[in-house]
Amino acid sequence: DAGVTQSPTHLIKTRGQQVTLRCSPKSGHDTVSWYQQALGQGPQFIFQYYEEEERQRGNFPDRFSGHQFPNYSSELNVNALLLGDSALYLCASSILAGGGETQYFGPGTRLLVL
Amino acid sequence: AQSVAQPEDQVNVAEGNPLTVKCTYSVSGNPYLFWYVQYPNRGLQFLLKYITGDNLVKGSYGFEAEFNKSQTSFHLKKPSALVSDSALYFCALRELSSGANNLFFGTGTRLTVIP
Repeated sequence: DAGVTQSPTHLIKTRGQQVTLRCSPKSGHDTVSWYQQALGQGPQFIFQYYEEEERQRGNFPDRFSGHQFPNYSSELNVNALLLGDSALYLCASSILAGGGETQYFGPGTRLLVL
Repeated sequence: AQSVAQPEDQVNVAEGNPLTVKCTYSVSGNPYLFWYVQYPNRGLQFLLKYITGDNLVKGSYGFEAEFNKSQTSFHLKKPSALVSDSALYFCALRELSSGANNLFFGTGTRLTVIP
């Protein structure tokens, strides 16, 4: 059973560019969450998708947007990249339940903005 | 507002000795608490969680954690540390009453097990 997969593993962009990161959830999972982990910090919640809609959003600007497809896979898009967007972007999948569900994380995409 | 604190940035322990990684939390309602481990250049691996019931939770790789409501703590423990346990450990919180589904993470504790 494949776990959560993310692509690409690494990415280098320049300021002002746009980037798209991809995530495939664990088999049977219907919910995808995205987190940003800056160097030396804990992950910070960006948003969560369920049934192809954004269900919940953290404190991130509108430059960060996402999408969930009918097969539950998801994309994270970041427009007008800033140097401060350099981070490890983690995708987590779960089965939406009453709050006690476990989120399983992918290996992440490391984004460097120059 | 909810928060998670990991008061120690770094914990060093000799191989074979017991280890403890500390976590305290603050919520207005009831918490769900999680521990994850991160190896270099890897994502987060789930270790264990407290939802309800027995305050002592057993997880993967011999780790356990004790939920203490009065001290608002959820410390991670292992009776005998292995060199392979060296990694970055994160405590995370989900507040049940808020209806939110996301995890709030601490800043992490780097565990080094010395051979």
